Amino acid sequence: DTEVTQTPKHLVMGMTNKKSLKCEQHMGHRAMYWYKQKAKKPPELMFVYSYEKLSINESVPSRFSPECPNSSLLNLHLHALQPEDSALYLCASSPSSGTEKAQYFGPGTRLTVL
Amino acid sequence: SQKIEQNSEALNIQEGKTATLTCNYTNYSPAYLQWYRQDPGRGPVFLLLIRENEKEKRKERLKVTFDTTLKQSLFHITASQPADSATYLCAPPADRGSTLGRLYFGRGTQLTVWP
Repeated sequence: DTEVTQTPKHLVMGMTNKKSLKCEQHMGHRAMYWYKQKAKKPPELMFVYSYEKLSINESVPSRFSPECPNSSLLNLHLHALQPEDSALYLCASSPSSGTEKAQYFGPGTRLTVL
Repeated sequence: SQKIEQNSEALNIQEGKTATLTCNYTNYSPAYLQWYRQDPGRGPVFLLLIRENEKEKRKERLKVTFDTTLKQSLFHITASQPADSATYLCAPPADRGSTLGRLYFGRGTQLTVWP
């Protein structure tokens, strides 16, 4: 299995809702990432997990809460989001978080916050 | 702070021609640079990685060069096809010493290949 899967593909939520995004990979990769991408902009790194431990948090607001229950699974818990948080949320994985490692991206979750 | 610039937001070329995309960086010297392809509404797909001590890297119709003097990487697609139409992203590490996979994506160049 050489792909990263993300669910759901689309999500619409109100500002008071709590929802979660899920990402899964079965390539044995030990690093996993969350990115946010707005229209016509490049992906922006949010979080990096290395060996199931959070190693980078790019000053992301606390209304985004990542979780890595095991080496294959990555979640992003969402609470009290703002309309400006609407974006494509991408998950990626790589064999490790070391240098020169290609990142394998999932198809993304298109999030709309009303 | 470090800065990545891709030469243009859009590039339109005729099928069969060579597409050349440019990535310039300033204020630092990345040890390597990656190139990704992104189709609308999809995640980026890794294409090639080139290290600072490599002048050129090839993969099928793709060629990447890395000129540390000019602080520039060029990405070429030879014999371009309409299926090559996509946004191409340049991605060096966010800092030279990054060991945690922190990539800094350029804004991308949207390539359109017309028949």
